[in-house]
Amino acid sequence: DVQLTQSPSFLSASVGDRVTITCRTSQVISSYLAWYQQKPGKAPKLLIYAASTLQSGVPSRFSGSGSGTEFTLTISSLQPEDFATYYCQQLNTYPPITFGPGTKVDIK
Amino acid sequence: EMQLVESGGGLVQPGGSLRLSCAASGFSFRTYSMNWVRQAPGKGLEWVSYISDSSRTIYYADSVKGRFTISRDNAENSVYLHMNSLRPEDTAMYYCASDPDTPLMRCFDNWGQGTLVTVSS
Repeated sequence: DVQLTQSPSFLSASVGDRVTITCRTSQVISSYLAWYQQKPGKAPKLLIYAASTLQSGVPSRFSGSGSGTEFTLTISSLQPEDFATYYCQQLNTYPPITFGPGTKVDIK
Repeated sequence: EMQLVESGGGLVQPGGSLRLSCAASGFSFRTYSMNWVRQAPGKGLEWVSYISDSSRTIYYADSVKGRFTISRDNAENSVYLHMNSLRPEDTAMYYCASDPDTPLMRCFDNWGQGTLVTVSS
């Protein structure tokens, strides 16, 4: 199974900050890496797929990059509505399709 | 607008069964693979099962293999999860999610609102 780790697991930031979340995979994967945002009591929402492609309707302050075993999600200027938990997911080698443990972004 | 609506959750005793349903609308359901993902209270996301557009390919997480069965009806634009021999650790919100499943787009692009399954005596 491909294991995913995320760092940090918790992040405290202010509106306007640049935020970077890292996802590392236990083996090399292609670009089949996606990022999701989840707010309390809500379903996850797709932000990025293919490691760096912005899903339609997602603000351009979100971006993804990386290859191999290390991937990053960057929020260029954190907005109040961005406080949430973020998950990475790999769909390169399955079953199982695996998710990272999540990174909670909280208000400083 | 793409929409997924789950139903069928509830309280069930250990060893019991439930059937979850997910009704799709607003997109060409028969061309998408579908998945079930669950989230235990206060925990992260766990993929449960996958079914391809034609139902030819099906996968399960080890934690549910032999107990859960995924199926779909393309004429009814619906996907199902039959859950047997339920355990307390199956308690979770269950989401269905669509997957375009193409070389250029592998991801879960739409999610339902979830249906809560509680396994307890």
